Parts: sequence; structure tokens; C-alpha cells
Amino acid sequence: AQKVTQAQTEISVVEKEDVTLDCVYETRDTTYYLFWYKQPPSGELVFLIRRNSFDEQNEISGRYSWNFQKSTSSFNFTITASQVVDSAVYFCALRLSYNTDKLIFGTGTRLQVFP
Amino acid sequence: DVKVTQSSRYLVKRTGEKVFLECVQDMDHENMFWYRQDPGLGLRLIYFSYDVKMKEKGDIPEGYSVSREKKERFSLILESASTNQTSMYLCASSIQGTGGTNTIYFGEGSWLTVV
Repeated sequence: AQKVTQAQTEISVVEKEDVTLDCVYETRDTTYYLFWYKQPPSGELVFLIRRNSFDEQNEISGRYSWNFQKSTSSFNFTITASQVVDSAVYFCALRLSYNTDKLIFGTGTRLQVFP
Repeated sequence: DVKVTQSSRYLVKRTGEKVFLECVQDMDHENMFWYRQDPGLGLRLIYFSYDVKMKEKGDIPEGYSVSREKKERFSLILESASTNQTSMYLCASSIQGTGGTNTIYFGEGSWLTVV
């Protein structure tokens, strides 16, 4: 079965702290894609990153970085020097290559960054 | 810019009413989706469509139907609304790509309350 687990329901930090959001996935497929989406209070899910199962390189984009480790089936997301604007719900999702259309979402992690 | 528009942001309906949630995308995408988002459950797929007049059930289709008469428009229908359908509904679209590399774009969501 395919599954995505985000064990952290809610995280609160103070501005400028670093924070890591955990994501663990389950699949027996060898080819798959992992995603992170951000959902600000406005409601719209904003695409952040896609990573395929063959590419275990970590990615950095500004204050955001992602650590993909197949050995532990994890795809963790770190925000460096967090800001109030980072406050949102963050979703990790899995898509299988043979089913290009369905995303399997985790339950989300609500991040609150206080000034 | 990519745009997925959900016509109603907030709706309050009575039990037993027929409810239409409308979604329009301006990107000429073949794929369209309806998800439901509930606290602690993440996003769950209700229905999706690969093309005009085509539809497929997602993970939780019971109590819902859909209509796709035009490529840009995908409607979610609650034939007889019930209180357990109170939720946030998210529409999404994507181009038909290869190997799951295409990005799925989401609308801002429709908050439905059934009383």
C-alpha cells in the first residue's frame, strides 16, 4: 500500500529559528515522485518542489532545503531562518509513475512562526 | 500565470439540498481533480477526469458526482447534501505528462458548511 506520514501535526517556532518538517512515505514501487505543497491561510496549495525516486540529491532553494533519503523513505523539508510569512500548512505527497494523476497526501503539518 | 478558479469560496447549504461546486482552469489542461480536505485526514481524492465527458472515481466518491462538459470546467455535485460533507473542497488541474513529472495546480478552495 502507498502511504505518506507526516507525524508532526503542529510546530511552533520563533522567527529566525530553523525548522524541519518530516515526511515518511511507503511504496513498493521503484519509480515514484515526491512533492511538497504549502497551503497559506488563503487556502490555495502552492507547489514547492518535486523530486523523483532516482534523484537523491538534496535541493536548496533560498531558505528552503529538502533532504531525500531512500534508505529511510524520508523526504524532509527544512526552512532556515524562518519568517512569519512561512506560517502555513505544509503537505507532503507521493505520486506513482504508473498512475500519473493521483497524489497521495500526508495529513499536513501546521507551522506557526511567531515574531 | 497558471490559474484554477473555484467560483464559490464560502457556501452554507441545508441538508438535502443539491449543491454545485464549479471549477475553471485557463491552462488547457486535460486532467482535473476534486479533493476534499479535512483536519487530520489531509487531502483525499473524490473524482478526477482525464478529458471532456470522462470521469473516474477517486478514493471517496460516495455521495458525490461530477460533470465535465467542457475541457476548462469541472463541476462537483452533491446530489443531497449531508452534514458529514461539511468540508473544504479543492479543485486541481494538470497537463497530461509522462512519468508523473507534470505539476498539479490547485485552486483556493471552497468551504462548504451543511446545516
